[in-house]
Amino acid sequence: NAGVTQTPKFRILKIGQSMTLQCTQDMNHNYMYWYRQDPGMGLKLIYYSVGAGITDKGEVPNGYNVSRSTTEDFPLRLELAAPSQTSVYFCASRRGSSTDTQYFGPGTRLTVL
Amino acid sequence: AQSVTQLDSHVSVSEGTPVLLRCNYSSSYSPSLFWYVQHPNKGLQLLLKYTSAATLVKGINGFEAEFKKSETSFHLTKPSAHMSDAAEYFCVVRGDSNYQLIWGAGTKLIIKP
Repeated sequence: NAGVTQTPKFRILKIGQSMTLQCTQDMNHNYMYWYRQDPGMGLKLIYYSVGAGITDKGEVPNGYNVSRSTTEDFPLRLELAAPSQTSVYFCASRRGSSTDTQYFGPGTRLTVL
Repeated sequence: AQSVTQLDSHVSVSEGTPVLLRCNYSSSYSPSLFWYVQHPNKGLQLLLKYTSAATLVKGINGFEAEFKKSETSFHLTKPSAHMSDAAEYFCVVRGDSNYQLIWGAGTKLIIKP
């Protein structure tokens, strides 16, 4: 199993540009998550999904969109990049129960200039 | 509402000496608690979790944590630090909803040779 994979690893965007962060898991997990991690801070939840076709907002959803057309994939879309979105983005997945382990991807370091 | 506080932003110990990373939590019901580790420029990995079974939880790499309800604490310990333990450690509590994890701000563990 590859686990959770994310692409790209690094990206620099100009203000107003758009991009999609890709996330794929091969563990057949129901739950998938997108977090952002700002320097010196813990993780903040952006969006999550409990299964294909079902998504919902987390703590900090503004400026982002998601979709979940398959169990494996959970892309995160930034429509109009802003400097405040400079962060490290992590995708994670979990099988089901709230006490199950969350498995994380390696992260995408995004800079918006 | 659930919350978690990591009491130290940085902890510095010498190699071979004990490690103590402190975490206090607030929860209106019996909590589920986790410790995650993040090595430099890497993703996050689960160290251990407490889910209302034994109060002393053993994790990977020689780490353990003790759940103390009376003190609302879940401190992480290791008898003897190794250079490879240098990383950031996050204390996490399950939130109100099944999907939600509440993350502490992190403690950076520095190991001196």
